[in-house]
Amino acid sequence: AQSVTQPDIHITVSEGASLELRCNYSYGATPYLFWYVQSPGQGLQLLLKYFSGDTLVQGIKGFEAEFKRSQSSFNLRKPSVHWSDAAEYFCAVGAGSSYKLIFGSGTRLLVRP
Amino acid sequence: SQTIHQWPATLVQPVGSPLSLECTVEGTSNPNLYWYRQAAGRGLQLLFYSVGIGQISSEVPQNLSASRPQDRQFILSSKKLLLSDSGFYLCAWSLGTVGETQYFGPGTRLLVL
Repeated sequence: AQSVTQPDIHITVSEGASLELRCNYSYGATPYLFWYVQSPGQGLQLLLKYFSGDTLVQGIKGFEAEFKRSQSSFNLRKPSVHWSDAAEYFCAVGAGSSYKLIFGSGTRLLVRP
Repeated sequence: SQTIHQWPATLVQPVGSPLSLECTVEGTSNPNLYWYRQAAGRGLQLLFYSVGIGQISSEVPQNLSASRPQDRQFILSSKKLLLSDSGFYLCAWSLGTVGETQYFGPGTRLLVL
């Protein structure tokens, strides 16, 4: 069965610093991979997704993620964090013939001024 | 463009009362529809999904049920609410192809007292 692990529950970074949020998945073949962001009390917004091809994926708001098959990882990065990036971030995997997405437990990002 | 609506935005209900949450999608036909629950500080739990009118798949046996009376309408119900039903309920839609992105509504916050 597919699974997703986001090992960091909370991360705090200073505004302007770089960011990397970790995501590891478990699946035997190439999965579909997603990153979503959720502001407090809001729904989830898609940041980026990976289906195939180039393993470095560009998303909205200056985010990017890199698919590394050898490490079963899909880490999210941003070179310079803005205060408005403070939110919860979810990694998700879809696989096989299923319509379902499996979500990680989320990482809450706090941004220091 | 497609939009997804959920109502009500917030609901406070006593234990043992019934529940009806509604989700509607505009701008697309025959979408897949999903209900998730997000408990405080937790990730997303898929409750139900539907690939067509009257077709409901339940992921977690519990006090809730779902119905899809029209192509773009998805309803989450309960006959008698429990305290443990409190949470943030999110509806999502996707195209009917494996691996498609899911797009989320704004959510309904339910508090059962």
